[in-house]
Amino acid sequence: GAGVSQSPSNKVTEKGKDVELRCDPISGHTALYWYRQRLGQGLEFLIYFQGNSAPDKSGLPSDRFSAERTGESVSTLTIQRTQQEDSAVYLCATSISGADTQYFGPGTRLTVL
Amino acid sequence: AQSVTQLGSHVSVSEGALVLLRCNYSSSVPPYLFWYVQYPNQGLQLLLKYTSAATLVKGINGFEAEFKKSETSFHLTKPSAHMSDAAEYFCAVSSGSARQLTFGSGTQLTVLP
Repeated sequence: GAGVSQSPSNKVTEKGKDVELRCDPISGHTALYWYRQRLGQGLEFLIYFQGNSAPDKSGLPSDRFSAERTGESVSTLTIQRTQQEDSAVYLCATSISGADTQYFGPGTRLTVL
Repeated sequence: AQSVTQLGSHVSVSEGALVLLRCNYSSSVPPYLFWYVQYPNQGLQLLLKYTSAATLVKGINGFEAEFKKSETSFHLTKPSAHMSDAAEYFCAVSSGSARQLTFGSGTQLTVLP
């Protein structure tokens, strides 16, 4: 497709389970970002990938959160041992390079029961 | 460090009235500034961006914003509101080596008939 896609669109899980969220970037976009949007709040930066450089993980809230991306392809965000405070919409954005406009996917709504 | 403050979490205007959504930023270096709109159950869509060219930036759907360095502001305006403008609006900043966007907490715009 032409835009950033994310899957699943909704995920309900039980506390303590692991979840994996997927982001498919726009073709040719070297930069990829993950953000978290809690209910009624703005977006919080989580992690940034630029090409084959080491990712900027400065926004990850705990070591339960991790993300991977190989080259300029798909990225996965993994949350281990989910907690109720992890409930949020997780948004992926990509850009042609790190300095360009970011285009957002529709997000994955995560609910931890 | 960079930050964004959006004054007014909720703004209501009548259809046809002026829309003014306020955004103030903090950045130690010249910033890039953005306004994004989020319609219900959709991802974020870029309205406009400032990247140190013209201080008055025109975006989509009749919106515009003016960068005022002396006031550290980047307020969003539209001369005449339409019902279809009802959405949540986010102001964001990126600056220096920080490629990630720092978002404000958002302003929910309601347009009254």
